[in-house]
Amino acid sequence: QKEVEQNSGPLSVPEGAIASLNCTYSDRGSQSFFWYRQYSGKSPELIMSIYSNGDKEDGRFTAQLNKASQYVSLLIRDSQPSDSATYLCALGGGATNKLIFGTGTLLAVQP
Amino acid sequence: DTEVTQTPKHLVMGMTNKKSLKCEQHMGHRAMYWYKQKAKKPPELMFVYSYEKLSINESVPSRFSPECPNSSLLNLHLHALQPEDSALYLCASSPPRGGSMDTQYFGPGTRLTVL
Repeated sequence: QKEVEQNSGPLSVPEGAIASLNCTYSDRGSQSFFWYRQYSGKSPELIMSIYSNGDKEDGRFTAQLNKASQYVSLLIRDSQPSDSATYLCALGGGATNKLIFGTGTLLAVQP
Repeated sequence: DTEVTQTPKHLVMGMTNKKSLKCEQHMGHRAMYWYKQKAKKPPELMFVYSYEKLSINESVPSRFSPECPNSSLLNLHLHALQPEDSALYLCASSPPRGGSMDTQYFGPGTRLTVL
């Protein structure tokens, strides 16, 4: 059974700082890794997908994948209060790309 | 465009009612998913349709009945629900990638309350 672990938080960072969100997983065969952002009462919104070791940058967001150490992280630069949300790490793969979600990390950006 | 639409946005039903949730995408995605999400929990997979065939049923009670009339539409029929079934019901879809499916995109969800 795949497992995905995240610190539930809350992770509190001041506005303008770098927020670092981490996720570890148990299944070495995992192929696809995703970060979703979810505001309270809303649906998950895809932030990043990453498939290969290394860094992937998109605007203020950088996803980092290290398959040898079985972790994936999300860095948010210049954090804004509007970034305050729950961030879900998810692993996928296989014919249907069934997602295994972590429990999510609540990020609070303080103005 | 990565839009998945869901109707209705909100639904209140009694335990003896029959209702349906609807999900639609016009992106050519070939997998569609139903999830249930309770407060402060991650989404929990219920069903997966791949190329319009049911490929995963996560031991969901029979009072939930999925239907995939075509590649763009996914329905979830509800009957004799219990108050503990109150939750946010999410639909997602994903495009094919190689021999499998790629990133899932979620719709806005239907907030269901069972009285």
